[in-house]
Formats: sequence, C-alpha cells, structure tokens
Amino acid sequence: DVKVTQSSRYLVKRTGEKVFLECVQDMDHENMFWYRQDPGLGLRLIYFSYDVKMKEKGDIPEGYSVSREKKERFSLILESASTNQTSMYLCASTRLAGTYEQYFGPGTRLTVT
Amino acid sequence: KNEVEQSPQNLTAQEGEFITINCSYSVGISALHWLQQHPGGGIVSLFMLSSGKKKHGRLIATINIQEKHSSLHITASHPRDSAVYICAVYPDKLIFGTGTRLQVFP
Repeated sequence: DVKVTQSSRYLVKRTGEKVFLECVQDMDHENMFWYRQDPGLGLRLIYFSYDVKMKEKGDIPEGYSVSREKKERFSLILESASTNQTSMYLCASTRLAGTYEQYFGPGTRLTVT
Repeated sequence: KNEVEQSPQNLTAQEGEFITINCSYSVGISALHWLQQHPGGGIVSLFMLSSGKKKHGRLIATINIQEKHSSLHITASHPRDSAVYICAVYPDKLIFGTGTRLQVFP
C-alpha cells in the first residue's frame, strides 16, 4: 500500500517561529510537491522537487524554503512564521509529473498565532 | 478568471441520486485529474484521463478535449460519497479547481 506521510496533522506555532513540515514517501518517486490549501482558492503549489537536492519554485514560494536531502523526504520550512501562513499544507509525490497519479499525504493544518 | 472552473460549488443529494460535477478549463492540457477530499484533509486520486471515459465502480469520468470540459458522475450516490471533489489539469504543472462540496443525505 503506497504511502505519503506528514510529520504532524495539527500544528500551532507563534509568529516568528521557524517551522519544519516533513513529508516522507515510500514509493521511490522522483517528484515531490508542497501545496497549501485555503478556502475558495484551491490548492496552490509552493515548491516542488524532481530529484534529490533539486528544487523549483511554484506559484507562491515567498516565505518558504524546502530541502530534499534524500529521495524519500521533502521538507517545507517556514523561516519566520506569519499569521498569513495559517493554512492546510499538503505534500504529494508522483513518479513523473502531471500525467501520472499524484499521491497525497494526510495534510498538516498549521495555525500561526 | 480561473483557468479551471468547477460547477456547482456545492451540491446536496438524496441517497441513490445520480450526480454530475462539471469541470471546464481554458488551457491546453495533456491530462486531467479528478480528486476526492474527505473531511480531515486527505486527498485521493480518483481518475487521470486524457481522452474519452473511465469507470471505476459507481464513478464515471468523461473528458471532451475539443470543448475543454470534463464531467464526474456518481451513480446510486451514498452518504459515504460526501466529500469535496477537485478537478486538476496538467498543461505543464497541475492547476486545481476550487472543488465541489457534495453532501449526500440518507
């Protein structure tokens, strides 16, 4: 059974804190993605990675960075959390982008106070 | 204007009803995905299609590339079908619609 796991389901952080969200997949997928989901806006791509140590900015990368040191692990970092980063964060992976099924993690609901 | 539009935004149905959710897009694509998101957040891929029609159980997805339109049908709906259904298209990256919230009542 394929799996994408995320480190936390719920997270509450204070403004200015550094926040790490981790995603692990066990399918040996090359591509991994971080999205945020907000009501009325749908999923928006923050960053993606198509290989170890490779990363590409998505549509809304400001305020975020990522790290992919191992193929199975893709981390999203909020350097200094702000209240407008309160959102649902979803990680996904796929073998090849777009024309293959994306597998999603359960999501992390982050609240920044 | 969003590149991916879904309709309706919200849908309620009685158990057993036939349901249709529509997705229109404005860009050239190589694939279209239908996704399901249950309360709590987890997203599951239902279909990926680039032409024609696919069926899985009570779910049927169709796509008309010329008209840039896709439909997701649910036959004999059940309360467990209650979820948000999301359409996503792939020109060179996935672009998501804002979803259709479906509630099926017994």
